[in-house]
Amino acid sequence: NAGVTQTPKFQVLKTGQSMTLQCAQDMNHNSMYWYRQDPGMGLRLIYYSASEGTTDKGEVPNGYNVSRLNKREFSLRLESAAPSQTSVYFCASSDTSGPPPYEQYFGPGTRLTVT
Amino acid sequence: GNSVTQMEGPVTLSEEAFLTINCTYTATGYPSLFWYVQYPGEGLQLLLKATKADDKGSNKGFEATYRKETTSFHLEKGSVQVSDSAVYFCALKNSGGSNYKLTFGKGTLLTVNP
Repeated sequence: NAGVTQTPKFQVLKTGQSMTLQCAQDMNHNSMYWYRQDPGMGLRLIYYSASEGTTDKGEVPNGYNVSRLNKREFSLRLESAAPSQTSVYFCASSDTSGPPPYEQYFGPGTRLTVT
Repeated sequence: GNSVTQMEGPVTLSEEAFLTINCTYTATGYPSLFWYVQYPGEGLQLLLKATKADDKGSNKGFEATYRKETTSFHLEKGSVQVSDSAVYFCALKNSGGSNYKLTFGKGTLLTVNP
């Protein structure tokens, strides 16, 4: 049981390049999330998917797109990377099909640097 | 809207010292409350949780009590170890609705010296 996995672990991009961060979970969770973590800012929600086939914006969606490919996979795409998107990106999942509290389980993160 | 305020770090303690990390929140209704821990180079792990007033969450010697009257969920441990060095995040999940997102505090870095 791998939990939540993310690829790649590290990535360096030049300004304007595009890339997709991959996330998969094997816990049969229906909800998945993408966060970014910046020093002194805590975690901020970029996008989330409450169920397969649906996605919604979080606090900081600008410059990102997401795809909920199936129940297991939720990808995050940067179409034209900017230095302000240098951050650590975390994917998370939770089972929201039953009663709360809906704790989230996190992947190990992707450290992205945009030069 | 929802918000979580936790004490600024960094916090530096000696092994076996008592730990308190303060967390207060603003939310409507009856949120669920969480503490997450992030060890160096890793993702966040759920440490403990509480879903209603006066609930006490506990795990690995850590405890936190959901205090609705003071809107607080302070994290405590009686005797810290070097292996507890990490960043600790307080978070809340609002009750009801279809929005399942967590609201996080900014994190508190704890360093425990031998």
